[in-house]
Amino acid sequence: DVKVTQSSRYLVKRTGEKVFLECVQDMDHENMFWYRQDPGLGLRLIYFSYDVKMKEKGDIPEGYSVSREKKERFSLILESASTNQTSMYLCASSLGGTRYNEQFFGPGTRLTVL
Amino acid sequence: KNQVEQSPQSLIILEGKNCTLQCNYTVSPFSNLRWYKQDTGRGPVSLTIMTFSENTKSNGRYTATLDADTKQSSLHITASQLSDSASYICVVSALNTGFQKLVFGTGTRLLVSP
Repeated sequence: DVKVTQSSRYLVKRTGEKVFLECVQDMDHENMFWYRQDPGLGLRLIYFSYDVKMKEKGDIPEGYSVSREKKERFSLILESASTNQTSMYLCASSLGGTRYNEQFFGPGTRLTVL
Repeated sequence: KNQVEQSPQSLIILEGKNCTLQCNYTVSPFSNLRWYKQDTGRGPVSLTIMTFSENTKSNGRYTATLDADTKQSSLHITASQLSDSASYICVVSALNTGFQKLVFGTGTRLLVSP
């Protein structure tokens, strides 16, 4: 079974703090993704990576950065957390290539910024 | 603009009853459509996937249909169980050069009542 794990289920941070969200997958997937999910808006893509050290902006990258130093790990960084970044953050991974491959999601991290 | 719209937003049914969830999309060029189930506080899990040439796909008590001409899909749940209480998300994949972009609906929240 594909397993995508995220470092925290719940996280509470203060405005201005630097926040790291970690995601690890164990299926040797090339692609990894970070989404945020807000009520009434669905999932929105923040960043994705199709290879180690490669990253691409998604639909809403502002205020975020990412790091992929190893194939299995993809980190989302909030350089200076703000209250409007309070959200559920979901990591996903999929096999590489141009054909569509299912994205497998982690359990999510619910981040609250006070 | 690529969009996925789902209806209804929420639904309450009695245990044992059937229900149908709707998904309309304007994604182009179309690659495939997937229905995900998301339990509260969890990441989405794929139920079915359909490509352009498929018009029905079943997974146990879940049956998805696709009409690529009218750009509509439905998810039918038969003999509902309490464990079916979740959000159901329709996701359409657009075929871009080198990478597939996912467009997410906002989901239908289903509550199965005893």
